[in-house]
Amino acid sequence: EAQVTQNPRYLITVTGKKLTVTCSQNMNHEYMSWYRQDPGLGLRQIYYSMNVEVTDKGDVPEGYKVSRKEKRNFPLILESPSPNQTSLYFCASSLYPDLYEQYFGPGTRLTVT
Amino acid sequence: DAKTTQPTSMDCAEGRAANLPCNHSTISGNEYVYWYRQIHSQGPQYIIHGLKNNETNEMASLIITEDRKSSTLILPHATLRDTAVYYCIVRPPYNFNKFYFGSGTKLNVKP
Repeated sequence: EAQVTQNPRYLITVTGKKLTVTCSQNMNHEYMSWYRQDPGLGLRQIYYSMNVEVTDKGDVPEGYKVSRKEKRNFPLILESPSPNQTSLYFCASSLYPDLYEQYFGPGTRLTVT
Repeated sequence: DAKTTQPTSMDCAEGRAANLPCNHSTISGNEYVYWYRQIHSQGPQYIIHGLKNNETNEMASLIITEDRKSSTLILPHATLRDTAVYYCIVRPPYNFNKFYFGSGTKLNVKP
């Protein structure tokens, strides 16, 4: 089954404790991206990747890092999480870098205390 | 990217057509209109997209006005499972960032 998976689905952590949210897709998609969703602010793009070793900033990249060492994986790294990074995070992928065929993962709900 | 305006919420009776409007009066000539939906905090799901012609697929129809300043997403026979937030997005092709989902329309399908 074609899908985008994220782990963990839920995470509660403390300020400053480094964490990684994994994202994996099994569709051989070249384009992957990360979004965060907050009440009243909608979905905002954090980072995106055009292909292996090619990444770029979205609208809200501060406090996040990403890497793309393999085509299927695109982890999101929070080196020193802060409470304002409490959010619902979505990973997405598409064959082409265009919006209409983006497949979204199930989401990761992160709480930073 | 052109910004969009959508009603905050709409109700629809189960089995009836749901017509969701979107205003995009500042749309440019090469910008597409896309529709996504999000069911209760799940990942958004692509529905349909178009440039200037009306489009139809197994999920919905997209009607774009001749001046392209507005569009309507039509769900022909709404079911309870269609209750979701529907996002209208306008952007040029191959724009790799600056995706603007906006706040969308909450469609409530009622029995």
